[in-house]
Order: sequence, then C-alpha cells, then structure tokens
Amino acid sequence: QVQLQESGPGLVKPSQALSLTCTVSGGSLSSGSYYWNWIRQPAGKGLEWIGRVYMSGSTKYNPSLKSRVTISIDTSKNQFSLQLRSVTAADTAVYYCARNSYLGLVVSGGFDSWGQGTLVTVSS
Amino acid sequence: DIQMTQSPSSLSASVGDRVTITCRASQSISTYLNWYQQKPGRAPQLLIYAASTLQSGVPSKFSGSGSGTDFTLTIGSLQPEDFATYYCHQSYTPPHTFGQGTRLEI
Repeated sequence: QVQLQESGPGLVKPSQALSLTCTVSGGSLSSGSYYWNWIRQPAGKGLEWIGRVYMSGSTKYNPSLKSRVTISIDTSKNQFSLQLRSVTAADTAVYYCARNSYLGLVVSGGFDSWGQGTLVTVSS
Repeated sequence: DIQMTQSPSSLSASVGDRVTITCRASQSISTYLNWYQQKPGRAPQLLIYAASTLQSGVPSKFSGSGSGTDFTLTIGSLQPEDFATYYCHQSYTPPHTFGQGTRLEI
C-alpha cells in the first residue's frame, strides 16, 4: 500500500520561498501510472490544487500560482518536491501531496492516496 | 478554469437518514468527477471516482451518479462517522478544481 509523507519547514518568512518534499513508500514514482500532486487547504477553507508532476518531469500548474511554483521529481529518491516563491500570509495552509491515476495527457483520476498534510505558516 | 458548485453548503441530518449532495460543473466534464470525505484534521479520502465508481474499501451506502455537468453523491443510512465535509472534484482538465464543500452535521 502506497504511503506519502510531506516534510519541510513549518514556518516561512514573508517574501521567502516555501519548500516541501513528499516521500513515497510502497510504490515507485517511476511506474508511469500516476501523477504526483500538491494540494493545499487554508484553515477552515476548501481545497486548492497547486500542480502536478509526472515521472518524466512534465509539470502542470494552477495558473493562479504558476509564476511562483516549481514542482520537481527525483525518481532515484522516490520523492517529489514543491517550491513556492515570494510567499505571503495568504499562502498559510495545510499542504498535502497526493497521487492520482494517469489516464492521458489531460484527463486523470481521483486523488486516491494522500499524505497526512503539513501546516505551513507564513509569518515574520 | 472549470468552476465546481456544490449544494447545499451545509446540511443537517439525523442518524439513519439518507442524504444527497449535488455538484455542478461550469462546463461538461464527462464523468471525470470524484467525491471525497474529509474529517477535521485529516486528509480527504476518496469515496467515488469517475462519477459512480466506488473506491475500494468504501462502504456501499455511498453512491454517485451523473455525467456532463450535473452530479450527485448519495449517502444512505447515515451513521455518526459519516458526519464530515464532502467535496467534489473535477479531473477532466487542469487546473483541477474542487467544490466549496458540503458540511454534513448532526
């Protein structure tokens, strides 16, 4: 059974970069059957998709964040990472990594495995 | 972006009730519609994918239907553990988008 685990600083200063890593166990990022995603949720609010990466390194980002986001993958370590630059208080949220099925270049499946989430607070 | 609109935003029900939550997409998404349950402090859990397919391990009292722009999630015979927030999600095209959530309360 695949497991995902987020790691990274819980506190980031405004204007700096937020960096998180998702370590995957029980499955391989090289399988080609899945996209690997980042999703966030501010306290008491809904879910926002940040972006995804495929085993090839191909990425798709939410246009609302695209100018500040980079998602990368390291199949040798079975990890993928999120970098969000120039953060503000509005970026304070629980950040989740999640997997969904690769069904094609555009369409995909539901998010069937999630990390437990990590709270990132942006504050000086 | 495809907008996902859930209704109602909140719903009060009793143990044993049957409830239905609706989700409408701003354009056709075929059946690329998924439903999640989220409890406080926990990650969302996939209940239904492809509009009507039950995720492995999810009780059969959860069911989904719809295609195109209109979808429903039905929960039969509510139990205390079913009181949570439910989200719909379209995986038809990036950016993936979610409904605003439906809070199911006792």
